[in-house]
Amino acid sequence: AQSVTQLDSQVPVFEEAPVELRCNYSSSVSVYLFWYVQYPNQGLQLLLKYLSGSTLVKGINGFEAEFNKSQTSFHLRKPSVHISDTAEYFCAVRGSKRGGSEKLVFGKGTKLTVNP
Amino acid sequence: SQTIHQWPATLVQPVGSPLSLECTVEGTSNPNLYWYRQAAGRGLQLLFYSVGIGQISSEVPQNLSASRPQDRQFILSSKKLLLSDSGFYLCASYRGNLYEQYFGPGTRLTVT
Repeated sequence: AQSVTQLDSQVPVFEEAPVELRCNYSSSVSVYLFWYVQYPNQGLQLLLKYLSGSTLVKGINGFEAEFNKSQTSFHLRKPSVHISDTAEYFCAVRGSKRGGSEKLVFGKGTKLTVNP
Repeated sequence: SQTIHQWPATLVQPVGSPLSLECTVEGTSNPNLYWYRQAAGRGLQLLFYSVGIGQISSEVPQNLSASRPQDRQFILSSKKLLLSDSGFYLCASYRGNLYEQYFGPGTRLTVT
């Protein structure tokens, strides 16, 4: 079974500042990792995913994340945030074996607030 | 590409009333489908998933049930709502070729 810990429930930053949203996972098998973004009263939108290969993954809206197997982490970063990045961000994990339920396990989310 | 429809978008129901939320998927066939609930400050909780017509797996014991009467239709139901059933309900579909789940717009349920 897998689990995900998002270390910060809320992260306030100023516009144009860099941001890092932290995610750690636990799993006894190899994993796929995902970051989703949710704007108020909307569904979740995929930002980026790690399946295999390069540990630095680039996603939409200028976000990137780095998979660190030894530290079991998948932190999300953006070098310069905008007001429009204000949203809730979810880290998710699943085992890499295909077939069956393909269930995702989500963290509790991090609310990013970008202030002018 | 896939499109997920959920209705209604918002719903206010009294305690003890029945519930039916519907999710339909376009642009794919035989998808894995999922129902999640999002309560304030509690992240996403997987309620049910289905790998095919009539096949439902429950993740959390509760007064909710799910059904999949057609390949691309997933229904969440309750006979008697509780206050604790309030939340934002999300339907998702698995995109196997991309290894990712794709989410619908959600239904906001308020039980009064």
